[in-house]
Amino acid sequence: QKEVEQNSGPLSVPEGAIASLNCTYSDRVSQSFFWYRQYSGKSPELIMSIYSNGDKEDGRFTAQLNKASQYVSLLIRDSQPSDSATYLCAVDFGNEKLTFGTGTRLTIIP
Amino acid sequence: DTAVSQTPKYLVTQMGNDKSIKCEQNLGHDTMYWYKQDSKKFLKIMFSYNNKELIINETVPNRFSPKSPDKAHLNLHINSLELGDSAVYFCASSPWTGGIMQPQHFGDGTRLSIL
Repeated sequence: QKEVEQNSGPLSVPEGAIASLNCTYSDRVSQSFFWYRQYSGKSPELIMSIYSNGDKEDGRFTAQLNKASQYVSLLIRDSQPSDSATYLCAVDFGNEKLTFGTGTRLTIIP
Repeated sequence: DTAVSQTPKYLVTQMGNDKSIKCEQNLGHDTMYWYKQDSKKFLKIMFSYNNKELIINETVPNRFSPKSPDKAHLNLHINSLELGDSAVYFCASSPWTGGIMQPQHFGDGTRLSIL
């Protein structure tokens, strides 16, 4: 069974601090990893994709991938109230589909 | 211009009815998907099509029948609706590279409520 696990939260972070979201997955064959942000009542929108070990930075967002330890994380620097949302981790297990985690609800406290 | 568009946005209907949801993408992608997101916000794949061919059928009841007339459209027809079908249904699309999964782009969702 291919699984993606996330802490459901809620995760509360003060405005301006770093929010750290973690995701673990069950199969080392995994090739592609994605972070999506979903506001309440809205559709998931892509934040980051990462395909190889290490860090990938895009603005205030950094994705970190460690295939040996089977985890991928998302760091949000200088957190803003507009970052309050549910963050979904998605993994491609090489089976032509994405498997999503249950999401981590993030709240940025002004 | 909306990249992935679904209609209708809301669907309220009685148990036992048949309904359809339509999806269109103008991104030129080869692959389209249907997802169901339940009340606990878990997003689960139902079907995927690549260039009109069914790729994934994820143990969905056969009351659900997808149809892809061309690679830009993927519709979902649901027969004999049940209370458990109440959920938000998302359509998505992505490029096909024959190996590594590319990012998927989601439509706004169709909120289905069964009375």
